[in-house]
Amino acid sequence: GAVVSQHPSWVICKSGTSVKIECRSLDFQATTMFWYRQFPKQSLMLMATSNEGSKATYEQGVEKDKFLINHASLTLSTLTVTSAHPEDSSFYICSARDLAGWGEQFFGPGTRLTVL
Amino acid sequence: QQQVKQSPQSLIVQKGGIPIINCAYENTAFDYFPWYQQFPGKGPALLIAIRPDVSEKKEGRFTISFNKSAKQFSLHIMDSQPGDSATYFCAASHQAGTALIFGKGTTLSVSS
Repeated sequence: GAVVSQHPSWVICKSGTSVKIECRSLDFQATTMFWYRQFPKQSLMLMATSNEGSKATYEQGVEKDKFLINHASLTLSTLTVTSAHPEDSSFYICSARDLAGWGEQFFGPGTRLTVL
Repeated sequence: QQQVKQSPQSLIVQKGGIPIINCAYENTAFDYFPWYQQFPGKGPALLIAIRPDVSEKKEGRFTISFNKSAKQFSLHIMDSQPGDSATYFCAASHQAGTALIFGKGTTLSVSS
């Protein structure tokens, strides 16, 4: 089946630092990847849509200068949380669209970010 | 405005029971309806998905029933097991590859 990986799986950082999260589609190519944020016991909230070779599209209310997204290849998208603050602590999950079949979306295992 | 409404919020069934989770959508342009299963601390895993040209789809113990006129779809889990205890999310999009709109989730607990 389609596999999406994320790295790191968890990260703890100090307030004011930047953190980069990688999302990779391991066995398929993905022109489109999505970044979600999930708070405890809540649903997934779409942050942005990442298209290979073009600028990401951000959802309303998501600061594009704070959450930098780069989709440099068909298998890799990165999310950088710049100048992180405690309120940015959350579970970040990416998904990748499989070009084959129905274009189903497969999710990565998530990254737990804790900002002290 | 919540475009996909999911119920119930939580569900407890005994082993072997058939939990049913329901979702209703508003946007008639939606044409792709997946269900995801999520365990604590993990990413969602795609269980099964359906398009509106069929009324039912079955994969193993999981069945989606779809009612286009009512704009509703549901997940049935046959012969539920304690290992099925997880949070289930329905979702919808107007094309399979576009951003998914998620329901709020249903926490299922299967007791042995």
